[in-house]
Amino acid sequence: EPEVTQTPSHQVTQMGQEVILRCVPISNHLYFYWYRQILGQKVEFLVSFYNNEISEKSEIFDDQFSVERPDGSNFTLKIRSTKLEDSAMYFCASSETDRQGYTFGSGTRLTVV
Amino acid sequence: QKEVEQDPGPLSVPEGAIVSLNCTYSNSAFQYFMWYRQYSRKGPELLMYTYSSGNKEDGRFTAQVDKSSKYISLFIRDSQPSDSATYLCAMSDQAGTALIFGKGTTLSVSS
Repeated sequence: EPEVTQTPSHQVTQMGQEVILRCVPISNHLYFYWYRQILGQKVEFLVSFYNNEISEKSEIFDDQFSVERPDGSNFTLKIRSTKLEDSAMYFCASSETDRQGYTFGSGTRLTVV
Repeated sequence: QKEVEQDPGPLSVPEGAIVSLNCTYSNSAFQYFMWYRQYSRKGPELLMYTYSSGNKEDGRFTAQVDKSSKYISLFIRDSQPSDSATYLCAMSDQAGTALIFGKGTTLSVSS
């Protein structure tokens, strides 16, 4: 069964450092998303991406965040200057159309120290 | 404003029981409703996707949406120990837009 692949599975970074979280969506999917889940809290929407541009973003997705689809297969989330409160599980998701559920990856656990 | 409410449990049932999981919501504009299952340290796995009100069945799972009451349910028949996980409801007002998740209900099925 096709999967959304995320790397790394766990990343530890120092506060103020830049991190890039990587995702390989399912190959025929056109809609891409990033969500995050702080420990013990709800899954929260960050950003959606379609047709090589951001289609929607949340208040969380401020100027410190950016997304890119550099080569037609990868989908990345960059955090420019990490803060302690950025520590969370970050999930990438994709879907073939906008009228079906999303397939999530297994997530990247980001720990900012 | 807590848009989506979900009883966190934990909910413990014996193998073979029928399980009922529920969410309530406040935004009457929600039209797309999903149920996800999440095992520990894994990403959410889509179980059911429904549009607007009504019922949908897939194997042992049945999803119900009552938009008039702003209430959705997931029923699991003949529950198995492998169903032990956290169940998340999620919803959106337009296709392909941000999903609003409930906090999840932790289910434990004992053999």
